[in-house]
Amino acid sequence: QVQLQESGPGLVKTSQTLSLTCTVSGPSVHNGGFYWSWVRQHAGKGLEWIGHIDFSDYTYYNPSVKSRVSMSIDRSTNQFSLRLTSVTAADTAVYYCARQTGFYYYSMDVWGQGTTVTVSS
Amino acid sequence: EIVLTQSPGTLSLSPGERATLSCRASQSVSSSHLAWYQQKPGQAPGLLIYGASSRATGISDRFSGSGSGTDFTLSISRLEPEDFAVYYCQHYSSSSGVTFGPGTKVDIK
Repeated sequence: QVQLQESGPGLVKTSQTLSLTCTVSGPSVHNGGFYWSWVRQHAGKGLEWIGHIDFSDYTYYNPSVKSRVSMSIDRSTNQFSLRLTSVTAADTAVYYCARQTGFYYYSMDVWGQGTTVTVSS
Repeated sequence: EIVLTQSPGTLSLSPGERATLSCRASQSVSSSHLAWYQQKPGQAPGLLIYGASSRATGISDRFSGSGSGTDFTLSISRLEPEDFAVYYCQHYSSSSGVTFGPGTKVDIK
């Protein structure tokens, strides 16, 4: 059974870099057929896709954060990561990692429980 | 850029009633790339429907999806207490990436 678990600091200072990791239990992240995604949710608001990465290091980022975001995959630890630079209070949110099926449906069938990140000076 | 609009914003119904949720795309989209999610307070979203009409593993047959082009519908045939939640539609395209609708809250009347 596939499980995802986010980890990282819950508090990040303004203008610093937010770094989160998602540990995948089950299939290898370097198997084809999936995108490994990050989604965030501001308090009381809807879902915002940040971007995704696949086994070949192909990335696709939301234009709203493209200039500040990078994602990577670590095959040795079966993890994928998110880095968001120059954060502001507007980046305070619950961050979810998710597995997105590829090739045809592109839906997110497995989600982590989410981790709350607060940006404050 | 594809924009998804969901209506109504809030749907107030009683257990046992039928819920009909709408998701409208700003341009015609591939139905195979349209999904629906359910989110309960304090929880991560969960996949309900993929490919516009296929139920995800373990999802009750009370949930059904339909539609094509720009108009898609999620129906819940008989609301159970655990169905009161927020529902999001989502689309993927190679040109716009992943887009979520703003959500419809189904609450108890």
